[in-house]
Amino acid sequence: AQSVAQPEDQVNVAEGNPLTVKCTYSVSGNPYLFWYVQYPNRGLQFLLKYITGDNLVKGSYGFEAEFNKSQTSFHLKKPSALVSDSALYFCAVRDPSGTYKYIFGTGTRLKVLA
Amino acid sequence: NAGVTQTPKFQVLKTGQSMTLQCAQDMNHEYMSWYRQDPGMGLRLIHYSVGAGITDQGEVPNGYNVSRSTTEDFPLRLLSAAPSQTSVYFCASSERGSYNEQFFGPGTRLTVL
Repeated sequence: AQSVAQPEDQVNVAEGNPLTVKCTYSVSGNPYLFWYVQYPNRGLQFLLKYITGDNLVKGSYGFEAEFNKSQTSFHLKKPSALVSDSALYFCAVRDPSGTYKYIFGTGTRLKVLA
Repeated sequence: NAGVTQTPKFQVLKTGQSMTLQCAQDMNHEYMSWYRQDPGMGLRLIHYSVGAGITDQGEVPNGYNVSRSTTEDFPLRLLSAAPSQTSVYFCASSERGSYNEQFFGPGTRLTVL
C-alpha cells in the first residue's frame, strides 16, 4: 500500500538557521511528490513538487526539497528560516496507479523562534 | 478568480441531522476531491471526482455522499451526522493530469453534538 511518513510532529528552529522537515514515502512505481503548507485557519497551499528530473526542486517562499530515490525521501529545506514560516507542513504523494488519489502525511508543525 | 470556495465556514449539527457542504471552483478543473482533517491524522480522502458525472470513493467514504453534475460544483452530503464526523473538511481541485498540484478551499469546520 502507498504511504507517506512525516516522522516529526514538530520541528523548532531559530530564525536565520536552516530548516529541514522530513518526509519518507512508500509507493510502487515512480512517485509524484508534493509539499503543502497550512497557515492557521486556512486551506493548504502548494509549495513545490517532484515529478521527474533534477533531484533538487525549488518552490515558493525560498523552499526547496531534495528527492532521494534510494532513501525514498523527499525532505523540505530552507537555508534561512523566517518567523513567518511557522505553519503546518504536509508531504503528499500521488498514487502512481493512475487513480486521482493523493496520500498525505500526518503533518509537521514548524515553529521558528525569534 | 475566486479559486475554490466552500460554504459554510462553520456548522454545528445534532446527531442524526443531514446537511450538504458546498464546494465550487472557477478554474475549470476536471479533478475535485473532499478531505477531512483530524488532529494527528493528516488529510484523509473522502470522495473524489475526475469529471462531471464521475465520482469514486476515497479512504473514508462511509457516511458521506457526493455528486458532480457540473464541472464547477462538488457538494458533499452528510446523510445522518455522527459525532465521529466532527472535523475540518477541505475541498480541492486540480487540472487533469497525474502531476498537477491541488488547490484547496478555506475549509468548513463541522461540529456534531
